[in-house]
Amino acid sequence: SQKIEQNSEALNIQEGKTATLTCNYTNYSPAYLQWYRQDPGRGPVFLLLIRENEKEKRKERLKVTFDTTLKQSLFHITASQPADSATYLCALDMGTGRRALTFGSGTRLQVQP
Amino acid sequence: DTGVSQNPRHKITKRGQNVTFRCDPISEHNRLYWYRQTLGQGPEFLTYFQNEAQLEKSRLLSDRFSAERPKGSFSTLEIQRTEQGDSAMYLCASSWDSGRGNEQFFGPGTRLTVL
Repeated sequence: SQKIEQNSEALNIQEGKTATLTCNYTNYSPAYLQWYRQDPGRGPVFLLLIRENEKEKRKERLKVTFDTTLKQSLFHITASQPADSATYLCALDMGTGRRALTFGSGTRLQVQP
Repeated sequence: DTGVSQNPRHKITKRGQNVTFRCDPISEHNRLYWYRQTLGQGPEFLTYFQNEAQLEKSRLLSDRFSAERPKGSFSTLEIQRTEQGDSAMYLCASSWDSGRGNEQFFGPGTRLTVL
């Protein structure tokens, strides 16, 4: 079965720096890879989706890369702010009929002012 | 508010009792998903509906769990004879299947505590 690895340790960075989060997966590359943000006690919120034939996607201060050879996605937040502090989840959509997402366990980001 | 809503937000029950949760998806979405999330883990897929049809159930969904989506609108998830291991956050999500990616909109979740 598909396994997803995200850094289980929290990532602590200073405000204004770029945060880089990693998502590695095994087995088959997904048709789509998604990133979600989750705050404590709340449901995940969709951030970005990247397709298997795309190398990079940007949205405001967010950037996602997708390397199907390395089986890895990187998620970047530039000019980070304390409000960016949250858990970030990587999710795979295999693009088959089910379309349910397979999530990683998430990486907690803490941006220090 | 046109987002996904879930009720109740919190449920505390004793082992052996039955519980039922409700999810109201975004009205124009045709897909509805149930996930379960425990502390420190990502959401795990339980089951999903396309309109009113339940198309897949995870092996995580034991016989004690049942989900319905009558008329393709709201959905309910029932857990019978609850066990302490059922304690978790139960998340509902909905999406519109465009065939070009499956961005899902999640509700706030129902936190279940089984004593």
